[in-house]
Amino acid sequence: GAGVSQSPRYKVAKRGQDVALRCDPISGHVSLFWYQQALGQGPEFLTYFQNEAQLDKSGLPSDRFFAERPEGSVSTLKIQRTQQEDSAVYLCASSWGFGSGNTIYFGEGSWLTVV
Amino acid sequence: GIQVEQSPPDLILQEGANSTLRCNFSDSVNNLQWFHQNPWGQLINLFYIPSGTKQNGRLSATTVATERYSLLYISSSQTTDSGVYFCAVEAGNNRKLIWGLGTSLAVNP
Repeated sequence: GAGVSQSPRYKVAKRGQDVALRCDPISGHVSLFWYQQALGQGPEFLTYFQNEAQLDKSGLPSDRFFAERPEGSVSTLKIQRTQQEDSAVYLCASSWGFGSGNTIYFGEGSWLTVV
Repeated sequence: GIQVEQSPPDLILQEGANSTLRCNFSDSVNNLQWFHQNPWGQLINLFYIPSGTKQNGRLSATTVATERYSLLYISSSQTTDSGVYFCAVEAGNNRKLIWGLGTSLAVNP
């Protein structure tokens, strides 16, 4: 597609429910990132994939968070047993190459509200 | 870890005015980027500028890596410039961007 596509755009989950957030990166982009953005804050790094390999998952806040990219394209961020503090915008981004100098393109985000 | 501070936190301009946004960072970086987040939440990359000066239309940016700061200049501001401007840095060999809290800009007609 023309840009990074995320779905769902909006999700309301009951506390304790599992959610799955999908990211379709720009075709051919090898690097994929997930960030979490709370209201009024800057994005915070969650995890990074290079093709299908998850090279850094140091930002995942707990073992309830899990991300995968099995075929090196589409990625899914899964949150188990959601808590109210998980309410945030989850941003996916991709870039063409491996290095820092490659332009990073963000999706519009998935807005998660846990009630 | 590395700290990123942005100033001012909020800025209100009349259309046509110029402004300078600042980003200070606490350690050496190998990547510094400026982003604009529009009122609908979309983040757009403005500049990749670990050092030096770049210009793109009415926007320009300068990073003085030895003094650990970067500046984003907006000239002849337009209402469409409204939103939050973020500075983000990368240090070390990972691809993790560390973000400031942003400068929230409102441009009034």
